[in-house]
Formats: sequence, C-alpha cells, structure tokens
Amino acid sequence: GAGVSQTPSNKVTEKGKYVELRCDPISGHTALYWYRQSLGQGPEFLIYFQGTGAADDSGLPNDRFFAVRPEGSVSTLKIQRTERGDSAVYLCASSLAGGKETQYFGPGTRLLVL
Amino acid sequence: GEDVEQSLFLSVREGDSSVINCTYTDSSSTYLYWYKQEPGAGLQLLTYIFSNMDMKQDQRLTVLLNKKDKHLSLRIADTQTGDSAIYFCAEILGSSASKIIFGSGTRLSIRP
Repeated sequence: GAGVSQTPSNKVTEKGKYVELRCDPISGHTALYWYRQSLGQGPEFLIYFQGTGAADDSGLPNDRFFAVRPEGSVSTLKIQRTERGDSAVYLCASSLAGGKETQYFGPGTRLLVL
Repeated sequence: GEDVEQSLFLSVREGDSSVINCTYTDSSSTYLYWYKQEPGAGLQLLTYIFSNMDMKQDQRLTVLLNKKDKHLSLRIADTQTGDSAIYFCAEILGSSASKIIFGSGTRLSIRP
C-alpha cells in the first residue's frame, strides 16, 4: 500500500506570491496533520483534520495560512502573500483515526521563498 | 508548557552503543516517541512508549522512561553506519491527544 504522498517535492516562489501544497494521505485514514519543519528544528504542528473538518488549527501562525480537506482525503495547505520566513519543509501525516493512533509522515514539500 | 529538549549532536564509533537523551516538561504526556529522519526522507517512527511503562525493547532499540524526572532515552545497540540520521524525541499530550510536540533532533554520526 502507498504511504503518504506530497506534491510538489520542491517549490520555489517569490515573496508575495500564493502557493498551494498538496497531501495525499494513506487510504482509509480519517485523520490528517500538517507540520512545518524549519532548518535545524523539529517539526511544528500546524493543523489537524478529522474527516473534512479542522479539529485543531491552533498551530497556524497567522491568517495567511489556510488548509482544506473538502472530501476527507486529499488536503491542500494554502499560503497567501508568502514571506521569506515561510521557507521550510512542510510535512503531512495521516493516522487511522486520530487521537493517539500512530501518525505516518510523508516526505515533505520543501518551500523556498525568494 | 510544552517543551521537548535534546542535545544536538552525538558521535559514536561503529559497533558501540548510542544513547540519545531527551527531557520533556508536560506531565500529561501519554505517549512518547522516537522518530528517525534520514536526508531527503520523511520521518520514520522508530518506537514509542506509553507513559505507564518504564522500558521497552525492540531488537537493537531500548527505550527507557523516567517519568519522575521526565527523561526519555533511546539506546541503539551495535550502532551501524545506516543508523546515521537525526533522531527526534516527541510527545503526544493527554490534553490534545492529537498533535505531536517534537524536540529539535539529535544528529547521530558514526565514525569508523
């Protein structure tokens, strides 16, 4: 079975532009998570979906960041008016049912804002 | 507050044991994890321990938990070159039961 996949693997954009990052979770996993990993740091939680709804978005740094999961499977993380400080690896994870179920991580999207 | 701390670097000789240490602050932690990250690869869950356990062993890996001191360690026996990676200590909190709090990672390098 396929693991969590993320596209694109790398994204280079200019300051002020809009970007979308996509995550395909493991089939059948109801919970989906986004994390951000800056250079030399551990991943930081952004948002958690249970099904189609955001159960916890407390990690989103500001209103330029938004994520959706309209059909309860694929999720898109959207960043408006990108800033250089947004440069990081954006990781997606999924788990079977949320809670304390094991989270399986994708390879990440490396975002570079010039 | 929520904080997980670990040392940044560890260098060991091939064949020796590696011990990576971690401290956490939140006493409501229910599960504690060790993840491995190799260059260009995603995070791989190595092992986890439930907070009511003191020790867990899985082949070359031994996890020790001292809940009183909020100290977690990962011991890798007979360290091999393939063990070179960044190791992240992480906790999942009882209150949130969803988001994982990660440490900054310990880079393990193996010398011949």
